[in-house]
Amino acid sequence: DVKVTQSSRYLVKRTGEKVFLECVQDMDHENMFWYRQDPGLGLRLIYFSYDVKMKEKGDIPEGYSVSREKKERFSLILESASTNQTSMYLCASSSGLAQFFGPGTRLTVL
Amino acid sequence: GESVGLHLPTLSVQEGDNSIINCAYSNSASDYFIWYKQESGKGPQFIIDIRSNMDKRQGQRVTVLLNKTVKHLSLQIAATQPGDSAVYFCAEPAGGFKTIFGAGTRLFVKA
Repeated sequence: DVKVTQSSRYLVKRTGEKVFLECVQDMDHENMFWYRQDPGLGLRLIYFSYDVKMKEKGDIPEGYSVSREKKERFSLILESASTNQTSMYLCASSSGLAQFFGPGTRLTVL
Repeated sequence: GESVGLHLPTLSVQEGDNSIINCAYSNSASDYFIWYKQESGKGPQFIIDIRSNMDKRQGQRVTVLLNKTVKHLSLQIAATQPGDSAVYFCAEPAGGFKTIFGAGTRLFVKA
């Protein structure tokens, strides 16, 4: 089974802090994704990566950056957290069309 | 595609009954669809997929039906159990590496 893990299930940070969300997959997938999920807005793509050191902006990249130094790990960085970044963050990986998701990180920014 | 709103469409079924969850798509060229299940506080979980050269695919207690004429697919869950309570949403690849996810339907199972 594909296993996608995320570093934290719950995270509370203060406005202006730098936040790192880590994601690791163990299936040697080329593609990795970061989404945020908010009530009424569904899943929105922040960034994705199709190879090590490669990244592409998704639909809502503002306020976020990413890093993919190793194939299995994809990090989402909030340079200066703001309250409107309070959300559920979901990481996913794929080698084909179907994406496999991690358990999510619920981030609260105070 | 599915509409997006503050309140998800809901479906309430009695335990043991069959559930049918529907999804409409807009791109007639779409050739692959996926159903996901998301339990409260968890990430979406892949359930079943179907390619457009099929009109039906069965898994364990789940069946997906695809009607390309009206651009509609459905997920049928047989003998619905309390553990099936979740949000279910369909998804279709949108080209490149992107995927379009539906807003979802919340399934409640009454004991």
